[in-house]
Amino acid sequence: AQTVTQSQPEMSVQEAETVTLSCTYDTSESDYYLFWYKQPPSRQMILVIRQEAYKQQNATENRFSVNFQKAAKSFSLKISDSQLGDAAMYFCAYRTRGAQKLVFGQGTRLTINP
Amino acid sequence: GAVVSQHPSWVICKSGTSVKIECRSLDFQATTMFWYRQFPKQSLMLMATSNEGSKATYEQGVEKDKFLINHASLTLSTLTVTSAHPEDSSFYICSARDIEGYTFGSGTRLTVV
Repeated sequence: AQTVTQSQPEMSVQEAETVTLSCTYDTSESDYYLFWYKQPPSRQMILVIRQEAYKQQNATENRFSVNFQKAAKSFSLKISDSQLGDAAMYFCAYRTRGAQKLVFGQGTRLTINP
Repeated sequence: GAVVSQHPSWVICKSGTSVKIECRSLDFQATTMFWYRQFPKQSLMLMATSNEGSKATYEQGVEKDKFLINHASLTLSTLTVTSAHPEDSSFYICSARDIEGYTFGSGTRLTVV
């Protein structure tokens, strides 16, 4: 069974600095998707970034970028120029191409210090 | 972008009563929807996958008779918590498959007293 592991229950960073959230996953599949979701205090799940496994280029969305290491089964999220509004729970998620459901990691709570 | 509307956002009910939560895709057709339960400071736990026009697929350990799911149209899925008890108190979230991936509702806080 596929599993997603986020080894950092909590992280904190100074405003305007850079932080990296870790995610590893276990799968025997070669074609899959990876996601980072943000859940702010409102609890609305928001897609931050997604990566298709067949694409070697790391996805980027403005201040958010990923370091996708397929061989190592690692999918870390880098947040540059951290802002107070980035404070949230961040969930890493995985889906096999042929499957419907997402597999979520345990989450990392990110605190931004002003 | 895609929008999923979930109602109510919070509900308080008496023990033994039933509560219905609605999840609507507003600007797209969702053949597949998902229902999650989230405990405080924990991740999302998938309860069931709802497919339009067919029976829901429940995850192991989820009581089908307690958590009734209906997906009668391409834009609406409902979760009914039957004979609710205090241990059913939780945060419930729905999600729908769309072109980009998944869009989530804003969640429902259920409190059973």
